[in-house]
Amino acid sequence: GAGVSQSPSNKVTEKGKDVELRCDPISGHTALYWYRQRLGQGLEFLIYFQGNSAPDKSGLPSDRFSAERTGESVSTLTIQRTQQEDSAVYLCASRTSGPRNEQFFGPGTRLTVL
Amino acid sequence: AQSVTQPDIHITVSEGASLELRCNYSYGATPYLFWYVQSPGQGLQLLLKYFSGDTLVQGIKGFEAEFKRSQSSFNLRKPSVHWSDAAEYFCAVAGDSSYKLIFGSGTRLLVRP
Repeated sequence: GAGVSQSPSNKVTEKGKDVELRCDPISGHTALYWYRQRLGQGLEFLIYFQGNSAPDKSGLPSDRFSAERTGESVSTLTIQRTQQEDSAVYLCASRTSGPRNEQFFGPGTRLTVL
Repeated sequence: AQSVTQPDIHITVSEGASLELRCNYSYGATPYLFWYVQSPGQGLQLLLKYFSGDTLVQGIKGFEAEFKRSQSSFNLRKPSVHWSDAAEYFCAVAGDSSYKLIFGSGTRLLVRP
């Protein structure tokens, strides 16, 4: 009965470097989300995957951000040429099919860009 | 566009006292509304949700929320707060694409012993 897991839990990087964040959703969950949470703020939608459909990338803030998901398994969020404003907690969530179903969240990856 | 406002950034209550956290939303149709709690170092956990029907919704951990269409509100309540309730609380509304949640900025709850 594992929940959503994310790795690493913390990442410190230098400005200009690329980072890759990983999300392992709950087995059988067809939908997967990435959110960004800046300090003292709510969650900001980034991207949504549903099965084999084209992802909704409307929340990605710039072309430095990209995400992939293979089938209904692991997803990776990649940030290229990181900037200090990218510092935030990145949260992943998954759910079963059906938009009203509960999203289950991972513990997040705290990204600090120096 | 949909939006959610949580007007209180911080709230402090004494243990055993009642609690009400405010949430106002902006959405043209009948909204899907959610309350999540985020404890330190943990992911968000769903407390309760409203889709339709009875406007008073019961959730986990003794929480409830009332949907008031006339006030565009979905306030969270608990009759007696426990120290373990100290956390950040987020209200969210499902947007036009109902799979996408729009979150408020959160209310941090502090509990005095």
